[in-house]
Amino acid sequence: GENVEQHPSTLSVQEGDSAVIKCTYSDSASNYFPWYKQELGKGPQLIIDIRSNVGEKKDQRIAVTLNKTAKHFSLHITETQPEDSAVYFCAASFQHAGNMLTFGGGTRLMVKP
Amino acid sequence: DGGITQSPKYLFRKEGQNVTLSCEQNLNHDAMYWYRQDPGQGLRLIYYSQIVNDFQKGDIAEGYSVSREKKESFPLTVTSAQKNPTAFYLCATQDGQKNSPLHFGNGTRLTVT
Repeated sequence: GENVEQHPSTLSVQEGDSAVIKCTYSDSASNYFPWYKQELGKGPQLIIDIRSNVGEKKDQRIAVTLNKTAKHFSLHITETQPEDSAVYFCAASFQHAGNMLTFGGGTRLMVKP
Repeated sequence: DGGITQSPKYLFRKEGQNVTLSCEQNLNHDAMYWYRQDPGQGLRLIYYSQIVNDFQKGDIAEGYSVSREKKESFPLTVTSAQKNPTAFYLCATQDGQKNSPLHFGNGTRLTVT
């Protein structure tokens, strides 16, 4: 069935450093890959997404890269700040599941001041 | 997300009682979803509805029930048959376009003692 693996499960960085979270997916027909940020006690919020017709997308300090051949995509956060501390989820759409999203297991990012 | 209202934010119930969690949206989205999140865990799909008067079981539907009588509303009932009901419950919506993101509410934390 559909599967999205996310690594690492926890990540601790110093303020100002970069953070990278990686996800792999199983369905080669997947073509939509959103990333969500979840702060404590709140629902996940979409921060960036990418479709399979592009390899990279940037939005200020956040970027996502996609390698369709290898079936993996990554979230890059540069110049991390304490307010970036949260749980991040990747997701992938699965064509045979009506393009529903399957989520990775999440990464808890801690940015130390 | 201001367009999705989950109420209440905290809910306490005694074991053996059914309880209904509310989810209302004013985004005019066709699809609605219920996820369960346990501490430190990812998102698990309970039920989803892609159109009014129709809904489908997700990965962990046992012990839960839903209805979709109106486009704006997708209430979730946690029944006494659910063995471990204490969790954080998230409602999400999605518009009808292919490969569009989910929009999440801020969740209801249910505690059953």
